[in-house]
Amino acid sequence: AQTVTQSQPEMSVQEAETVTLSCTYDTSESNYYLFWYKQPPSRQMILVIRQEAYKQQNATENRFSVNFQKAAKSFSLKISDSQLGDTAMYFCAFLRTNTGNQFYFGTGTSLTVIP
Amino acid sequence: GAGVSQTPSNKVTEKGKYVELRCDPISGHTALYWYRQSLGQGPEFLIYFQGTGAADDSGLPNDRFFAVRPEGSVSTLKIQRTERGDSAVYLCASSLTLGSGGQSRDTQYFGPGTRLTVL
Repeated sequence: AQTVTQSQPEMSVQEAETVTLSCTYDTSESNYYLFWYKQPPSRQMILVIRQEAYKQQNATENRFSVNFQKAAKSFSLKISDSQLGDTAMYFCAFLRTNTGNQFYFGTGTSLTVIP
Repeated sequence: GAGVSQTPSNKVTEKGKYVELRCDPISGHTALYWYRQSLGQGPEFLIYFQGTGAADDSGLPNDRFFAVRPEGSVSTLKIQRTERGDSAVYLCASSLTLGSGGQSRDTQYFGPGTRLTVL
């Protein structure tokens, strides 16, 4: 079975600073995808960034980047130049690709950006 | 284009009643997923459709839960004899299984969810 662990239930960061959210996962598979989703109070899950396990290069999307350590099964999200609109719950998710398209989500990290 | 839509946005019902939750996926997405999100938790997988058929229903908690997607587009999640423990946000997502149009294959795009409250 796949498990996803987010060990930081809550975090806060000053506006314009950098914050890193951690995520670890457990799997025996070699090919998979990893995602970070953002869920603001509106409940809408919004894709932040995606990483294919076969790619060694870390994914980046503007102010968002990941540190993907496949051997350590670690997938952290770095948010640079934090903005008030980044305040939300952040979920790490694992997608296995060889049998179905089921997502496994972590329990989330609540991020608050302080003005 | 339009995203995933879900109706109703909120549903309050009494214990023992029957409810239907609707999901309208992104046009052209062949895969559709239902998740349940309890307070303070991440979404938990319920069922996955590829076209009209349920490819994986291993997440449905019991036989009171059932979902259909008769024409391969809109899906309905049906809950019979609701219980207070069924109270949660029910999320729907859709994805392409073949990448095209700039959308990443297998990336799931979520709707805003339906908040179900069973009194």
